[in-house]
This record gives sequence, C-alpha cells and structure tokens, in this order.
Amino acid sequence: EPEVTQTPSHQVTQMGQEVILRCVPISNHLYFYWYRQILGQKVEFLVSFYNNEISEKSEIFDDQFSVERPDGSNFTLKIRSTKLEDSAMYFCASISGAFTDTQYFGPGTRLTVL
Amino acid sequence: LAKTTQPISMDSYEGQEVNITCSHNNIATNDYITWYQQFPSQGPRFIIQGYKTKVTNEVASLFIPADRKSSTLSLPRVSLSDTAVYYCLVGYGNKLVFGAGTILRVKS
Repeated sequence: EPEVTQTPSHQVTQMGQEVILRCVPISNHLYFYWYRQILGQKVEFLVSFYNNEISEKSEIFDDQFSVERPDGSNFTLKIRSTKLEDSAMYFCASISGAFTDTQYFGPGTRLTVL
Repeated sequence: LAKTTQPISMDSYEGQEVNITCSHNNIATNDYITWYQQFPSQGPRFIIQGYKTKVTNEVASLFIPADRKSSTLSLPRVSLSDTAVYYCLVGYGNKLVFGAGTILRVKS
C-alpha cells in the first residue's frame, strides 16, 4: 500500500534556529497538508497546498512558517525561528484529488525545541 | 465546519463489539462523516467514511441515521491492539478539523 513518508522522525533544535521538515506524499496525490499535535492535545490543521500554492492556512501558520514543493516529490515545512511552543508532532498528509478522498497521514516528525 | 461531540473515553474487553457515537447537529448537506484512529506518536489513520445509511469495510461499520445529526462507529470484536484514540470528523473541503476524540481502552 502506498504511504506518506516523513523525515526526520525526530528533530531536536535550539530556540531561534530554523528547521525544515520533509515529507514525500503519495506519488499521484495532488493536495498536501501539514498538521501539528502538541503533546496531549488535539491534531491541528496548519496549511493546505495545491498546484504549487497555499490554498488555505490556519491562524497558527504565521510568518515564521512556510511550505514548498521544491522538486515535484518532496513537500517541506520550514519553521524560520523556532520557539519553545513549536515543540510538537508535525504530520504531513495528502489526498489524490476530490475533497471526499481519504487523507493519508505520514508517521510524523517529533520536533523538540530546547 | 460542523462541530462534533464524542465521549471522552470508553472501556471495553477483548472480543466485544464497541460502538462509539458522535453527534454533529449542524452537519451541512455537503458534509461527509469520517472516522480516524490514532495510536500514540503516530499519524491518524483512516478507518471509514460515509454520507448516509450504513457503510461497512473490513475493519468497521458506520451507521448514519436519516437526519445525519449523529453517527456511530462500530468495531466488531475488538482486540488489545484497538486501544487508541478515535476521531469523528465532519466536513467537506480542504482541511480536517479534529476534536479531542474518544480514548478507547481495550482490556483483556
């Protein structure tokens, strides 16, 4: 079964540093998403991406965040100047096209900001 | 997006059928109902999706009454490995809005 992959599985960084979280969505999928989950809390939507541009973003997704699809396969989330409160699991998801399609989630990257 | 209400937690024993009900009183005409499962430190995993009546797949059934204001996820003969958080999501469109989910604990 095709799957979404994410790297790294765990990233530790110092406050103020930049991090890039990487995702490889399922190959024929067209819509891509990032979600985050702070430990013990619910999964929160960050951003959706279609046709090489952001289609929707939440209030969490402020100027320190950016996404891109640099090479047609990877989908990245960059956090420019990390804060302690950015520590969370970050999940990438993708769907093939129609809104009713299942969103397939990756295994997540655990980001720890010290 | 429709707000959903689920029990915070449920306990069951191996081999039992588990039914988790979700209420979504303000569901819109275009909204689908989707259930996800999440294990600790893993991404949510799709279980089942439906619009009305009953949907069944190899792992679960989803019952949706005619008014669509609630839905029930049915897990037949649960095992210890079904211990997880189960999320009911209602919507149509670009993003998933997760609630707190239901923590299901299966005991031996």
